[in-house]
Amino acid sequence: KAGVTQTPRYLIKTRGQQVTLSCSPISGHRSVSWYQQTPGQGLQFLFEYFSETQRNKGNFPGRFSGRQFSNSRSEMNVSTLELGDSALYLCASSPIPGGREQFFGPGTRLTVL
Amino acid sequence: DAKTTQPPSMDCAEGRAANLPCNHSTISGNEYVYWYRQIHSQGPQYIIHGLKNNETNEMASLIITEDRKSSTLILPHATLRDTAVYYCIVRVLLGETSGSRLTFGEGTQLTVNP
Repeated sequence: KAGVTQTPRYLIKTRGQQVTLSCSPISGHRSVSWYQQTPGQGLQFLFEYFSETQRNKGNFPGRFSGRQFSNSRSEMNVSTLELGDSALYLCASSPIPGGREQFFGPGTRLTVL
Repeated sequence: DAKTTQPPSMDCAEGRAANLPCNHSTISGNEYVYWYRQIHSQGPQYIIHGLKNNETNEMASLIITEDRKSSTLILPHATLRDTAVYYCIVRVLLGETSGSRLTFGEGTQLTVNP
């Protein structure tokens, strides 16, 4: 079974631009969560989607948004990029929300210049 | 979710057991202990979880003290590929109503030396 895939793997943007990251969960998994990882703040929860609905949201500004499609694939969008948004963005999937084992993808490394 | 305390770094010789401690003195009765690890530049990987009984799987063993205020993750025969950051997370049982949110601390950087 293929693992969680994230595209693109690397991305360079400039301040003020917006970016969209994509996550394809493991086949059959319907819950997708997003995390941001930075050297200063560590791994922080962004949001969780299930059945195309956001179920949980972390403490991030409204510039960070996401959505989930009927095939469970998810996208997250960051608008008006800031230098501090440079991070590794990780996606995790599980069969249902709160699945005991969260399966993480390799991440998208976003650099904001 | 209860706060956890882990040593920032540990070393272990290849082939020896690696014992990673975690303190969670404010853990509640309905909170579980989860362990994840993150190998450099990869996404975190689930290892094991438990409530109060000791648990073992193909990757590791989890020993939880009787008062549940601390636990130890044991990698019985560490290899170089076990070099990673290990995260101890305490939270209510992951479930459909509680959601998937995991709160990661700073973890322990385990370095396995040849």
